Amino acid sequence: NAGVTQTPKFQVLKTGQSMTLQCAQDMNHEYMSWYRQDPGMGLRLIHYSVGAGITDQGEVPNGYNVSRSTTEDFPLRLLSAAPSQTSVYFCASSLDNTGRAFFGQGTRLTVV
Amino acid sequence: RKEVEQDPGPFNVPEGATVAFNCTYSNSASQSFFWYRQDCRKEPKLLMSVYSSGNEDGRFTAQLNRASQYISLLIRDSKLSDSATYLCVARGMGYNFNKFYFGSGTKLNVKP
Repeated sequence: NAGVTQTPKFQVLKTGQSMTLQCAQDMNHEYMSWYRQDPGMGLRLIHYSVGAGITDQGEVPNGYNVSRSTTEDFPLRLLSAAPSQTSVYFCASSLDNTGRAFFGQGTRLTVV
Repeated sequence: RKEVEQDPGPFNVPEGATVAFNCTYSNSASQSFFWYRQDCRKEPKLLMSVYSSGNEDGRFTAQLNRASQYISLLIRDSKLSDSATYLCVARGMGYNFNKFYFGSGTKLNVKP
């Protein structure tokens, strides 16, 4: 019963470093998405995918890249980390795009 | 204006009380609606979908008012375990059909 698995759970980066946040789901869900959650801002959509090979931008895509080569995996890449990217990142998946989503446990990222 | 707006609270209520939260949405985010629950430092979890005719799930009742562009969540007979942040979610319209907009959440504290 893995569901949606995110790694790592915690990460500290220096400004300018790059890294990839991993997200994998074992439910054969087509729709996957990445959100960031900041105090008082709620969850904001970064990128999403409606199936393997298809990705699109959300509300706050700048500074992030994604790819979806398989149904199971949807990694999020930070190209050059900035302190403004300090946040909690959540990956979510759903069978379709109706909004009934399952979330991973989150990655707490600090950029210093 | 944000697509979805909520009163951040906190709502402090005694056990057994009835409490209601409202959430307003914009014209660009009015396709379908959901309530999620998020415990402190945990991932969001779907509480219930919101149907046009209103719907109930045990002690929880969700309603949609399209004329005034708000949805509501009513919790009856509050339990200590209901303490959490409740997130309102709306699906985008038109080109934003695959995007989901989260409110910043309403915090509920149920006290003995």
